[in-house]
Amino acid sequence: GAGVSQSPSNKVTEKGKDVELRCDPISGHTALYWYRQSLGQGLEFLIYFQGNSAPDKSGLPSDRFSAERTGGSVSTLTIQRTQQEDSAVYLCASSLAGTRTDTQYFGPGTRLTVL
Amino acid sequence: AQSVTQLDSHVSVSEGTPVLLRCNYSSSYSPSLFWYVQHPNKGLQLLLKYTSAATLVKGINGFEAEFKKSETSFHLTKPSAHMSDAAEYFCVVSDPSGTYKYIFGTGTRLKVLA
Repeated sequence: GAGVSQSPSNKVTEKGKDVELRCDPISGHTALYWYRQSLGQGLEFLIYFQGNSAPDKSGLPSDRFSAERTGGSVSTLTIQRTQQEDSAVYLCASSLAGTRTDTQYFGPGTRLTVL
Repeated sequence: AQSVTQLDSHVSVSEGTPVLLRCNYSSSYSPSLFWYVQHPNKGLQLLLKYTSAATLVKGINGFEAEFKKSETSFHLTKPSAHMSDAAEYFCVVSDPSGTYKYIFGTGTRLKVLA
C-alpha cells in the first residue's frame, strides 16, 4: 500500500516568509510525528499527534512553529517568519497506534532552504 | 531519560567483509530499540527492532542485532558487506514517556570499498 507522503519535496524561501509543509500518513495510522534533520542538531522530535488527543508540542523549537492535523489524517507543519536556522529536512512519520513497540514509517521528507 | 550513543561516526569496510556498527543505550525502562538506514536523498527505512522478545533480532538485507542488557548495547552486524549497504545508519530508542517518540543516535556513515 501507499506509504507516508510529504509535499513539497523541496522548498526554497526567503527569510521572513511563512511556509507550510504537508504530510499524508499511512491510512489507518492514528499516530503522527514530525521530526527535523539538520546538520548541527541531527534528528530531533518536533510534535506528536494521537487520534483526537491534544498534541505533544514539547519539541517545537519556538512559537514560530505550529502544526495541525485535520480529521485525524493529513497534517500541516507551519513555520512563520522563517529564519536561516530553520533550514533542514522535515520528516513526517506515522505509526499504527503510537505504542512502545510500534514501528514508525517515515516519509521522504521536505528539504527546506531559507535564503 | 532515554538516549542512544553511536560510537563511530564513520565506518569503512571492504566488500565481502563483516560489518559492525556500535550502539549503546541508556534507559530506565525496558527499551524498545530500532535500527534505521538512510540512503542518500532517501527516507528512513526500518532494518530491525527489539521489543523485549528474542534478544537476537534479524532484519532485512542480512542485518541482525543483539540486545545485551548487561552491556547496554544493541550493535548492528552483517556477515558480508555489499556495495549497496553504503548509507547512514541510525540507532533509535523509543521514549516511553507517553508519546513513544523516537530518540535518535547521531548516525554512523558506512562506506563500502570495492
